[in-house]
Amino acid sequence: DSGVTQTPKHLITATGQRVTLRCSPRSGDLSVYWYQQSLDQGLQFLIQYYNGEERAKGNILERFSAQQFPDLHSELNLSSLELGDSALYFCASSVSDHGRETQYFGPGTRLLVL
Amino acid sequence: AQSVTQLGSHVSVSEGALVLLRCNYSSSVPPYLFWYVQYPNQGLQLLLKYTTGATLVKGINGFEAEFKKSETSFHLTKPSAHMSDAAEYFCAVIFPLRAGTALIFGKGTTLSVSS
Repeated sequence: DSGVTQTPKHLITATGQRVTLRCSPRSGDLSVYWYQQSLDQGLQFLIQYYNGEERAKGNILERFSAQQFPDLHSELNLSSLELGDSALYFCASSVSDHGRETQYFGPGTRLLVL
Repeated sequence: AQSVTQLGSHVSVSEGALVLLRCNYSSSVPPYLFWYVQYPNQGLQLLLKYTTGATLVKGINGFEAEFKKSETSFHLTKPSAHMSDAAEYFCAVIFPLRAGTALIFGKGTTLSVSS
């Protein structure tokens, strides 16, 4: 158990819908990262927040957005969903935003868009 | 730019045999390198990491990896495979962004262990 929690574990929805994925980082961690894992793209970095502020962006679609709240939990919002958005979405956290810090991963949310 | 190449998407070994999973990286800055393992239907678990210092890094479950700058490699080894080692393994390098960081992952290597 990494100490990072994600809800829900599974999510099934239809094209065009909007969903929210939630992540609670390890106690004391200020950085939260979101990654997408799909069969064709592999593991891809989406976005990083540090202490409530957006710090870095990767290959995140404009239909996706995220935020980190004062209690440091984070939410990833996916809208206008398409079939291709079906994937495993991971949240990770680390103490700071320095590269040598280990990122601890949650169990993931498996999204299926029908 | 940072990138990671894992040679061999699938490696099969017998129980008790040597495990060797290959990882080569490209980095424009001194790299921070990581190996993660993913068991079926689970998240990623850190096996080991290299940041600075000793180039031979020991991790959990008997795994170790050696950072070789001249070969731009960070191969993962285990002397004797166990059935419980069957999983997918990911090599990753830190990508320093203008502000913040991201992990860049290889495509993964699935390790199968037969009895």
